[in-house]
Amino acid sequence: QQQVKQSPQSLIVQKGGISIINCAYENTAFDYFPWYQQFPGKGPALLIAIRPDVSEKKEGRFTISFNKSAKQFSLHIMDSQPGDSATYFCAASLRETSGSRLTFGEGTQLTVNP
Amino acid sequence: ETGVTQSPTHLIKTRGQQVTLRCSSQSGHNTVSWYQQALGQGPQFIFQYYREEENGRGNFPPRFSGLQFPNYSSELNVNALELDDSALYLCASSLWRLDTQYFGPGTRLTVL
Repeated sequence: QQQVKQSPQSLIVQKGGISIINCAYENTAFDYFPWYQQFPGKGPALLIAIRPDVSEKKEGRFTISFNKSAKQFSLHIMDSQPGDSATYFCAASLRETSGSRLTFGEGTQLTVNP
Repeated sequence: ETGVTQSPTHLIKTRGQQVTLRCSSQSGHNTVSWYQQALGQGPQFIFQYYREEENGRGNFPPRFSGLQFPNYSSELNVNALELDDSALYLCASSLWRLDTQYFGPGTRLTVL
């Protein structure tokens, strides 16, 4: 059962444009929602994260919008740059008694054209 | 402060063999999680270690096993390798019961 669904699979944006990636989750017990950026041959790097008691969080050019009732959250990249070209993963975790484990979406390959 | 490191970077094995992958956690982090990332997919949780014991396991068979050492470093062992085990294996470190996990660069395992 895929608990986090991510779309689109790929995205092409012009330099300076806005990139938007969407995720939907099923488990209402999830309480932490991070976004990771991954370059080829590298491990995922944490970009920004949000908890369900907040509807929006902004860090620099990156913004997470969170809709608890719809069980959806999205990443917005403002003023997209060619250096932002990478694969982006949304994730969700549940802080169980045994510690947190991340459930990832399938990823979005972002290409920012110069 | 050093980040998460993994070794080796790349590894080629044949079907049926056994492999050991290693991870050093970020300074001060006492929890290590392992993930498998198949090509073109998101990482899948294998298991997590804290206080040298397994705490939580994903949908992986028993031939995937691990260890955590007193210095919080960790090993992932896979026995009886199958072709489908070819993937990028990621180690992530964190503080126990805190959500933020920091990933290493991964070990690329190819099973022929």
